Amino acid sequence: DIQLTQSPSLLSASVGDRVTITCRASQGISSYLAWYQQKPGKAPKLLIYAASSLQSGVPSRFSGSGSGTEFTLTISSLQPEDFASYYCQQLNSYPLTFGGGTKVEIK
Amino acid sequence: EVQLVESGGGLVKPGGSLRLSCAASGFTFSSYCMNWVRQAPGKGLEWVSSITTSSTYLYYAASVRGRFTISRDNAKNSLYLQMNSLRAEDTAVYYCARDSVEYSTSSPLDYWGQGTLVTVSS
Repeated sequence: DIQLTQSPSLLSASVGDRVTITCRASQGISSYLAWYQQKPGKAPKLLIYAASSLQSGVPSRFSGSGSGTEFTLTISSLQPEDFASYYCQQLNSYPLTFGGGTKVEIK
Repeated sequence: EVQLVESGGGLVKPGGSLRLSCAASGFTFSSYCMNWVRQAPGKGLEWVSSITTSSTYLYYAASVRGRFTISRDNAKNSLYLQMNSLRAEDTAVYYCARDSVEYSTSSPLDYWGQGTLVTVSS
């Protein structure tokens, strides 16, 4: 099974900050990686697919990069509505797996 | 508008059974692979199971294999999860979610239901 390790697990930041979250896969997954945002009490929302493609309707301040085993999600200028948890998911092979999550909180 | 509405959650004793349902609307249900994803209280997301369009292929997480069964009824636009031999560690909100690409397996999940809470406790 492919394990995904996200870091950091908790990130404290201010509005306007540039934020980067890392997701490392235990083996190569090409670009079969997605990123989701989840707010408390809500279902996850797809942000990025194929490692770097922005889902329709998602603000351009979100971007993804990477391939193989190392991936990043970047928020170029953190907005108040971006304080949430973020998860990566590998779609290379079953069983599909999620990273442990990164909570972005207000500093 | 795409909608996924889960039902069937509740309180069940360890060793008991429960059947979750997910009613889909606003898209051609039979064209998409479907999934169940769960989230234990205060924890992260865990993929549980996936089913292909014609139910040809079923996939399960190791933690539920042999106890849970995923199924679908394309005529009723519905997805199901039969959960047997439930354990305390199965306590979670269960989400149904749609693959984003028609007739493709393991594509990103673009639509999610609101979730249904399953609590396993004596």
